[in-house]
Amino acid sequence: SYVLTQPPSVSVAPGQTARITCGGNNIEFQSVHWYQQKPGQAPVMVVFDDSDRPSGIPERFSGSKSENTATLTISRVGAGDEADYSCQVWDSSTDHPVFGGGTKLTVL
Amino acid sequence: QVQLVESGGGVVQPGRSLRLSCAGSGFTFSSYGMHWVRQAPGKGLEWVSLISYDGSDKYYTDSVKGRFTISRDDSKNTLSLQMYSLRPEDTAVYYCAKENIEGGVLYVFGSWGQGTLVTVSS
Repeated sequence: SYVLTQPPSVSVAPGQTARITCGGNNIEFQSVHWYQQKPGQAPVMVVFDDSDRPSGIPERFSGSKSENTATLTISRVGAGDEADYSCQVWDSSTDHPVFGGGTKLTVL
Repeated sequence: QVQLVESGGGVVQPGRSLRLSCAGSGFTFSSYGMHWVRQAPGKGLEWVSLISYDGSDKYYTDSVKGRFTISRDDSKNTLSLQMYSLRPEDTAVYYCAKENIEGGVLYVFGSWGQGTLVTVSS
């Protein structure tokens, strides 16, 4: 089955740019989606189809891909961005969606 | 705006059953595929089940096949998950999630509820 690998944690100073990676074999050929989870709140989709933003999601959130890595970039990070971020793709070998293990973003 | 509210979680002994519900509002419920996604304590998200917008297609992750049943009642804008033969490894927060597109299934989770906790323990 398809495995997505995320770093457990990323830390960034306020106002700086956070980059959260999601590694997967030939992920460049997958559509990648990203979700934000704050404690006690419903998860929120922040990027879909690699780089599209749902309505209401700030332009500070963007997505990109290279051969084996997808990246969620959050610019001008603020305390309100502290959350767990998970990537997700469709696994054609199992016909199921799969998620990465999640990355906890800490704003220093 | 879209609202999804789960209910029905609780503590249950191994081997027993539990039924989860999810009430949807703020959108045309009958036009969207609906999912259940769970998250075990300290673990990542795991997709559990899908029901298509018209109820004709139902899919499950392998670990719950034959034990869980997904259903929907569009007259009440409600999604359900009937869970039988529960195991300790089913312990998780269960989220309902709405497909991102109307009338189709792309396994893109456009909106989520806040979740309901299921604990399977003796």
